[in-house]
Amino acid sequence: KQEVTQIPAALSVPEGENLVLNCSFTDSAIYNLQWFRQDPGKGLTSLLLIQSSQREQTSGRLNASLDKSSGRSTLYIAASQPGDSATYLCAVNGGSEKLVFGKGTKLTVNP
Amino acid sequence: DGGITQSPKYLFRKEGQNVTLSCEQNLNHDAMYWYRQDPGQGLRLIYYSQIVNDFQKGDIAEGYSVSREKKESFPLTVTSAQKNPTAFYLCASKLLAGRAGTDTQYFGPGTRLTVL
Repeated sequence: KQEVTQIPAALSVPEGENLVLNCSFTDSAIYNLQWFRQDPGKGLTSLLLIQSSQREQTSGRLNASLDKSSGRSTLYIAASQPGDSATYLCAVNGGSEKLVFGKGTKLTVNP
Repeated sequence: DGGITQSPKYLFRKEGQNVTLSCEQNLNHDAMYWYRQDPGQGLRLIYYSQIVNDFQKGDIAEGYSVSREKKESFPLTVTSAQKNPTAFYLCASKLLAGRAGTDTQYFGPGTRLTVL
């Protein structure tokens, strides 16, 4: 059974700092991996989707990497801003219609 | 505007009552999903549907029911058999059912259900 773990559970950084969020998964047989952002009391917004054949994806200040063989992904946020404060969720797609989610990392960026 | 709408935003239920959560999408997506989110937890799949008049159980379907009579609508009923229904419920949709390698899921704003 696929399990997804996100470390740390919470992270607080000063504005302007570069940071890395981690996601690990137990079954390397995946189709893709997605990073989502969730603001308090809101739905999820897709940030980046990495196919199993890709190593990384970039969007603006965000860069996500994928090492399928080791079961790891990282989300790199450059020059963090207070508006980046949210919970970041990692989800793995094993090829069915089901996504398996981690519990998320709650990020706080302090002005 | 295209998107996914969920209603109501907040819902209160007395014990023993059934309640129905609405999910509508105008994205012409094939697949629709219902997730449950508890505090500090990841999302767990309740039901999903890839085509009209067909749906499959997810990981935590007990105490829930769904219907898919129209492509754009996928309502979720929380029955009295669900012992701990207080949670945040999220609906999602995806463009091409079955093409798991290419499409992301798009999420609605959620419904927070509280049992009194």
